[in-house]
Amino acid sequence: GIQVEQSPPDLILQEGANSTLRCNFSDSVNNLQWFHQNPWGQLINLFYIPSGTKQNGRLSATTVATERYSLLYISSSQTTDSGVYFCAVELVEETSGSRLTFGEGTQLTVNP
Amino acid sequence: NAGVTQTPKFQVLKTGQSMTLQCAQDMNHEYMSWYRQDPGMGLRLIHYSVGAGITDQGEVPNGYNVSRSTTEDFPLRLLSAAPSQTSVYFCASSYYHSTGELFFGEGSRLTVL
Repeated sequence: GIQVEQSPPDLILQEGANSTLRCNFSDSVNNLQWFHQNPWGQLINLFYIPSGTKQNGRLSATTVATERYSLLYISSSQTTDSGVYFCAVELVEETSGSRLTFGEGTQLTVNP
Repeated sequence: NAGVTQTPKFQVLKTGQSMTLQCAQDMNHEYMSWYRQDPGMGLRLIHYSVGAGITDQGEVPNGYNVSRSTTEDFPLRLLSAAPSQTSVYFCASSYYHSTGELFFGEGSRLTVL
């Protein structure tokens, strides 16, 4: 099956710093999403981004599907940004529909 | 809108017991799925459904059953619980047949002794 690799696995920042999280995938995908899992376990969809660039406040994401990677940028980080960031990709299969494959996540800790 | 609602939030079972995790969504989403999350790992797909009456297996389906009799509900059944099924379970839904933006429930933490 498709492989999804996220880097770095862990990241510690001081409040106010910027960061870039990376997601590499091994095959052509139909779609890509970024999620944030907060310290209470809740999963929030950040971006639905099969290609191109999107921005939402201090967060932005870029997917280059032809080169099989996506980047998530966090600017001016805040303690509330702490948690795990997951990348998930969709590989459309003709016989069984579509499904998301998740990477193992990047654990982000933002210290005050 | 309540979004995606999962019950129960916590459950402890003994090996061999059966139980059902409930999942309901009020967004008229066609696509629903169940994932499990184990420590230090991403989410793995158990089963999914692209519409009422249609279900299919994901990456780790063994030991679980699902059904989709209505658009709103997608219960996950553990037939004979095993300690390896100790995990956090997430239900998710999306609007499009081929996974659109995915919305998750709050999760159900299951411990099998």
